Amino acid sequence: DAGVTQTPRHEVAEKGQTIILKCEPVSGHNDLFWYRQTKIQGLELLSYFRSKSLMEDGGAFKDRFKAEMLNSSFSTLKIQPTEPKDSAVYLCASSRDWGGGTQYFGPGTRLLVL
Amino acid sequence: GDSVTQKEGLVTLTEGLPVMLNCTYQTIYSNAFLFWYVHYLNESPRLLLKSSTDNKRTEHQGFHATLHKSSSSFHLQKSSAQLSDSALYYCALSDHGGSSGNKLIFGIGTLLSVKP
Repeated sequence: DAGVTQTPRHEVAEKGQTIILKCEPVSGHNDLFWYRQTKIQGLELLSYFRSKSLMEDGGAFKDRFKAEMLNSSFSTLKIQPTEPKDSAVYLCASSRDWGGGTQYFGPGTRLLVL
Repeated sequence: GDSVTQKEGLVTLTEGLPVMLNCTYQTIYSNAFLFWYVHYLNESPRLLLKSSTDNKRTEHQGFHATLHKSSSSFHLQKSSAQLSDSALYYCALSDHGGSSGNKLIFGIGTLLSVKP
């Protein structure tokens, strides 16, 4: 089975731009997670979907971050407008129903905002 | 709320020495699952090992950890560090069976650097 795929792998944006990151979960997985990875904060949850329904939207990230799950096999994370502090690696992960917490991660998108 | 603490941000070791990465947690749930995920450079993070059984040692790929609910700890250990163990290690907590499904609470991560 194919793993989690994420595109693009690298993104450079100017401050104020809108960027869209994409994720395809493992086929058959019903849970999908978006994380931001930084050295200071570690892995921060941005959004959590179960069977396409938004379960959690990561509180502090609500205002400029919006994740959507258009169908069971595709999700997007929009950052609008971008700020330099958004520079980080964005990871997508998926999990089966009652997967016991085992999440399968994609390779991530490295975002640099100038 | 639930939380995971990894006190060491960076651990630097000489090859061959034992590894111990600390992890403690806080949760109101008695049925907590604890995890260690490893993130090697240029790879995706992946599960290293997990446990929900009190005082039972769990092993995988030379690493081991024992969940101690009395002290809320799940330290990661290895008897002899290898250069290839250099990576970022995350401890994580799930209240499996609770309302949050497969959601994990991650610690800040510990970067393990093994030197020759």
